[in-house]
Amino acid sequence: LAKTTQPISMDSYEGQEVNITCSHNNIATNDYITWYQQFPSQGPRFIIQGYKTKVTNEVASLFIPADRKSSTLSLPRVSLSDTAVYYCLLDVDSSYKLIFGSGTRLLVRP
Amino acid sequence: AAGVIQSPRHLIKEKRETATLKCYPIPRHDTVYWYQQGPGQDPQFLISFYEKMQSDKGSIPDRFSAQQFSDYHSELNMSSLELGDSALYFCASSLGQGGNTIYFGEGSWLTVV
Repeated sequence: LAKTTQPISMDSYEGQEVNITCSHNNIATNDYITWYQQFPSQGPRFIIQGYKTKVTNEVASLFIPADRKSSTLSLPRVSLSDTAVYYCLLDVDSSYKLIFGSGTRLLVRP
Repeated sequence: AAGVIQSPRHLIKEKRETATLKCYPIPRHDTVYWYQQGPGQDPQFLISFYEKMQSDKGSIPDRFSAQQFSDYHSELNMSSLELGDSALYFCASSLGQGGNTIYFGEGSWLTVV
């Protein structure tokens, strides 16, 4: 299975835009890129999913370059409540599982 | 909107005992996944079911078994519990296979003493 690599941690301040980049050099043709957010002792929460180019929803944007070897989750104007672990995963459309790697621990400061 | 329901939310068992966790997927979802997350660790995939058949298997110990029933709910049975089984167990569900959004429940806390 293709592996993803993310920064271990990031710091930001309230109101700033945060961009978390995920590297997936061996992404396969039928892999989707999916991001989850997890608060302590809670289940991962779906944020956004994309296959190529750009996807935007009410909480985030996902930028995927043409070669799909990386992706960037963009969180506009973060607040303290965005402090969480963010996971980038490859969701294979013929697979029945998501494999979690080591996520990015985002700390938003006042 | 209805979410994935897990029960019990908290469970305390002694070593060598047996525990059963239940998962009720989102209505009309036919695929269920089980994950284990130890303290300070990332979620580890255990097993998944699609249309009541096991579809994929991860790092699930032989002491654990699971099944999906005709109403699509799933149960994770854990026997001969060990201290290291203490963890947060998540169930997730989706409609069909990968590429469709997978939604997670809030988890069941298992503490083995």
